Amino acid sequence: DQQVKQNSPSLSVQEGRISILNCDYTNSMFDYFLWYKKYPAEGPTFLISISSIKDKNEDGRFTVFLNKSAKHLSLHIVPSQPGDSAVYFCAVKSNYQLIWGAGTKLIIKP
Amino acid sequence: EAGVAQSPRYKIIEKRQSVAFWCNPISGHATLYWYQQILGQGPKLLIQFQNNGVVDDSQLPKDRFSAERLKGVDSTLKIQPAKLEDSAVYLCASSGLRGGSRSYEQYFGPGTRLTVT
Repeated sequence: DQQVKQNSPSLSVQEGRISILNCDYTNSMFDYFLWYKKYPAEGPTFLISISSIKDKNEDGRFTVFLNKSAKHLSLHIVPSQPGDSAVYFCAVKSNYQLIWGAGTKLIIKP
Repeated sequence: EAGVAQSPRYKIIEKRQSVAFWCNPISGHATLYWYQQILGQGPKLLIQFQNNGVVDDSQLPKDRFSAERLKGVDSTLKIQPAKLEDSAVYLCASSGLRGGSRSYEQYFGPGTRLTVT
């Protein structure tokens, strides 16, 4: 039973356009959410996070939106750049651990 | 600041053989995690240490997997005997920011890709 779902295994976006990655979760008690980025042959690196007391958090080109009623979060990347091509994981805090989605592979086309 | 170190980076073994992975976390980080990541899936937590004590090992297949963090610094993960389904990337992560939401930010090593034939 997946508690965190990323339903799009891959996404292709033109360079300069907006990339939107989505994540759904099942437990309304989750209160902290993170996005990680992973390049091939490297470990995931922390990108941005959001607490359930907010509905938006922005860091440069990256913005995370949280819709608690829909139990949905999204990551927006504007504008998309070639270096953004990677696998993106969403993760949620559960007790003192993180539960991870399966990841979405983002491909930025030149 | 040095990142999380892991070795080896790649390992190929036959089923029923044993293998060990090593991890050195970021200096000063009290919490250390071992994850298993199977291709196409997210990381799955195997074991979590706080200093040299185990916080959670509920998803560690204890009949074949073992892990230790004797001095609260570096850690080893062992598989004995290995099965075909153990083929995966084994990731080590550490965290150490105390208090608040940032304590959940984990820093990962490059991982060890294990292939069991």
